[in-house]
Amino acid sequence: AQSVTQPDIHITVSEGASLELRCNYSYGATPYLFWYVQSPGQGLQLLLKYFSGDTLVQGIKGFEAEFKRSQSSFNLRKPSVHWSDAAEYFCAVAAFSGGYNKLIFGAGTRLAVHP
Amino acid sequence: EPEVTQTPSHQVTQMGQEVILRCVPISNHLYFYWYRQILGQKVEFLVSFYNNEISEKSEIFDDQFSVERPDGSNFTLKIRSTKLEDSAMYFCASSEGVSGANVLTFGAGSRLTVL
Repeated sequence: AQSVTQPDIHITVSEGASLELRCNYSYGATPYLFWYVQSPGQGLQLLLKYFSGDTLVQGIKGFEAEFKRSQSSFNLRKPSVHWSDAAEYFCAVAAFSGGYNKLIFGAGTRLAVHP
Repeated sequence: EPEVTQTPSHQVTQMGQEVILRCVPISNHLYFYWYRQILGQKVEFLVSFYNNEISEKSEIFDDQFSVERPDGSNFTLKIRSTKLEDSAMYFCASSEGVSGANVLTFGAGSRLTVL
């Protein structure tokens, strides 16, 4: 069965430090992968997506993610974190069922940023 | 930028009462979804809807739940007789298509509290 694992429930970094949020997926075929961010009181905003091609994808707000098939990973990175990046981050894979897709989410990683 | 709008943002109800959560998807989108997130847990798929019928539903989506598109703009989730365990954040989403390449746009969510 398809699944997404985000090993880190909570991460704290200092403002200006680099960030890497881990995501591992389990999916039989070539996956469609997503990172969403949820700020307090906000909905789920798409940060970036991977469908095919270049395994390093760029997203909004200076985020990037790298698809590594050999490791079944799609880790999210940012070289320098800003205080406004404090939020919860969700990795997701699109799973096909009966011709219609649905997103399977990881449990999320809550990011805190120290000034 | 087009967005998915959900109302109410927060609803408190007594156990056994009926609740209707409303969503206005993006106007040119054809596929509609409800997801929910119980506090501290994963975002979970509930149901997808296309062409005025359910295309897929999860095991969570039992007979207490129903969805409809009563007019050309709204998409509703009804919980017929709420239970304590229905307390969650409910997210509506829409997409243009259903291939894995079609991105879901989520609303800000409706927080349901059942007392």
